[in-house]
Amino acid sequence: DAKTTQPPSMDCAEGRAANLPCNHSTISGNEYVYWYRQIHSQGPQYIIHGLKNNETNEMASLIITEDRKSSTLILPHATLRDTAVYYCIASAAGNKLTFGGGTRVLVKP
Amino acid sequence: DTAVSQTPKYLVTQMGNDKSIKCEQNLGHDTMYWYKQDSKKFLKIMFSYNNKELIINETVPNRFSPKSPDKAHLNLHINSLELGDSAVYFCASSQAGQGPDTQYFGPGTRLTVL
Repeated sequence: DAKTTQPPSMDCAEGRAANLPCNHSTISGNEYVYWYRQIHSQGPQYIIHGLKNNETNEMASLIITEDRKSSTLILPHATLRDTAVYYCIASAAGNKLTFGGGTRVLVKP
Repeated sequence: DTAVSQTPKYLVTQMGNDKSIKCEQNLGHDTMYWYKQDSKKFLKIMFSYNNKELIINETVPNRFSPKSPDKAHLNLHINSLELGDSAVYFCASSQAGQGPDTQYFGPGTRLTVL
């Protein structure tokens, strides 16, 4: 699995969009970009994944650069319940997920 | 209905004891996992089973023995517990296929070894 790099922490304002960056400069062509989050004392929760194209679901949007070396997870309207550690993972389908340190996101009122 | 459930939620025990953690998923998935999250919050995969067969074993001490009686269950048995085994253990499941597989995690079991 390609290594990913994320900022250790970031704050965002409630109701505003939260943009979470992730670098994966060594990503292989068959590796997807996955995002998971872990709210305090809970199990990790899947958010979204993508290969090349931008993706959107009810939770978030994923923007992947054309060279696939970085991506951004967008939470369109952050709420206090979005406070969590967000993990960006690059992994081929069927491979194990390797969780790094993630980004600790604090949504402030 | 809980998709991935684990029991117990908390487990406190003495060093040297043997304990088990149970995991069940009702998603019809064919792949199950065990992860360990230590005090520094790093989440590491321990085992993966696909259709009751061991797929991944991440150099975990052989005191840890996963057992999969059927596709819906993956239990973790730990012998001779040590202080360093204290952690939160998460079970997860997914459906293997040709595309990316989304893993669904259980609520975790907090193991404290005294």
